[in-house]
Amino acid sequence: GDSVTQMEGPVTLSEEAFLTINCTYTATGYPSLFWYVQYPGEGLQLLLKATKADDKGSNKGFEATYRKETTSFHLEKGSVQVSDSAVYFCALRLSGGYNKLIFGAGTRLAVHP
Amino acid sequence: GAVVSQHPSWVICKSGTSVKIECRSLDFQATTMFWYRQFPKQSLMLMATSNEGSKATYEQGVEKDKFLINHASLTLSTLTVTSAHPEDSSFYICSASPLRDRGQETQYFGPGTRLLVL
Repeated sequence: GDSVTQMEGPVTLSEEAFLTINCTYTATGYPSLFWYVQYPGEGLQLLLKATKADDKGSNKGFEATYRKETTSFHLEKGSVQVSDSAVYFCALRLSGGYNKLIFGAGTRLAVHP
Repeated sequence: GAVVSQHPSWVICKSGTSVKIECRSLDFQATTMFWYRQFPKQSLMLMATSNEGSKATYEQGVEKDKFLINHASLTLSTLTVTSAHPEDSSFYICSASPLRDRGQETQYFGPGTRLLVL
């Protein structure tokens, strides 16, 4: 069935380090792919998205490229800040008019000064 | 803008009791609200989709008689866990899709409600 797998956390980094959070998916058709972020005490917020192969989503210094050949959508940031500490969720939405989001388990990121 | 709240944020109850969780869109109207459940170290799983004024659509494997969903207005949906048991302990998250988003492509999420059944 359709699913999303992302790396287990927690990921602990020092400020200004490079971040990669891996995400791979299994889906029929051509899904849209998303990264959501959840800060402590808040709801999930859309961070970035990509709707077709080779699209790159970007926001707030974060980037992810839709790689159909490897069924991946890895999240990257060149220099993390303490304020980036949060839980990051990778998700897909199936094509064909379905609005159902399928999420990964989430990866907790902790950035230390 | 586009804030979704949930109440309560934490609830502890005894086995066999019912618990109601509210989901409100504070600054927009939502025709569609979604209810998710997340067990520790697992994905958010969609439980049901509710449309204002109509019956909710439940995902396969979710008991509709156990998880009662009411979407009586464009800003409020409630999830009632009836006769809760320890295995219902989980993190429940709602999201809302704005009225203006006819394609329901945008979802705004609440902060979640943690339920512990003793």
